[in-house]
Amino acid sequence: EVHLVESGGGLVQPGGSLRLSCVASGFTFSDHYMDWVRQAPGKGLEWVGRARNRAHSYTAEHAASVKGRFTVLRDDSRNSLYLQMNRLQTEDTAVYYCGRGCPDLPNWNGYCAFDVWGQGALVTVSS
Amino acid sequence: DIQMTQSPSSLSASVGDRVTIACRASQNIGIYLNWYQQEPGKAPKLLIYAASTLQSGVPSRFSGGGSGTDFTLTISSLQPEDSATYYCQQSYNFPRTFGQGTKVEV
Repeated sequence: EVHLVESGGGLVQPGGSLRLSCVASGFTFSDHYMDWVRQAPGKGLEWVGRARNRAHSYTAEHAASVKGRFTVLRDDSRNSLYLQMNRLQTEDTAVYYCGRGCPDLPNWNGYCAFDVWGQGALVTVSS
Repeated sequence: DIQMTQSPSSLSASVGDRVTIACRASQNIGIYLNWYQQEPGKAPKLLIYAASTLQSGVPSRFSGGGSGTDFTLTISSLQPEDSATYYCQQSYNFPRTFGQGTKVEV
């Protein structure tokens, strides 16, 4: 069965740092792009960033709201996706989800969606 | 950035009703449009991708349509377990963007 499990959430002071992890199982992690999506309390979904796979040199994309502060990383040997969050602000308080993105396979039709999600990790930024 | 606008923001309907949610993109996105369902306290769940392709395991009462800038999600016969918030999302370019959500009460 396909699973994504996040960890590393918690309470952090403004200006602090935190690293979230997402461990994948049940599928070939290295074949997929992987993304982070967050949801502030009572709000909608906001895409945070993407890590591509080895075939695309592990390049990443980030939302403007986190660019320069957050970094999406992956370690395919550990089937793991990470979100390194620095200079955290109160508005970064949210549940952070990892999501499985497009499979980077020759026969893929090019249409991408987040078809598997983790359970979410709560990050609270407060003094 | 591509803006995604859903309507209505919320709706209330009865079991067996046909319900349609609209999603409009601020520019042409072809069929690069996905729909998700999120129940309170849970992670989102993919319902439809590429505007009209039903994700495996999703009940056939859900259907999607549209292309370009205007899209719809239809629930043909509303069930109690369909109470949730529904989001559209474009996968045409970066940054990926979501609609603000439509809360459905049954």
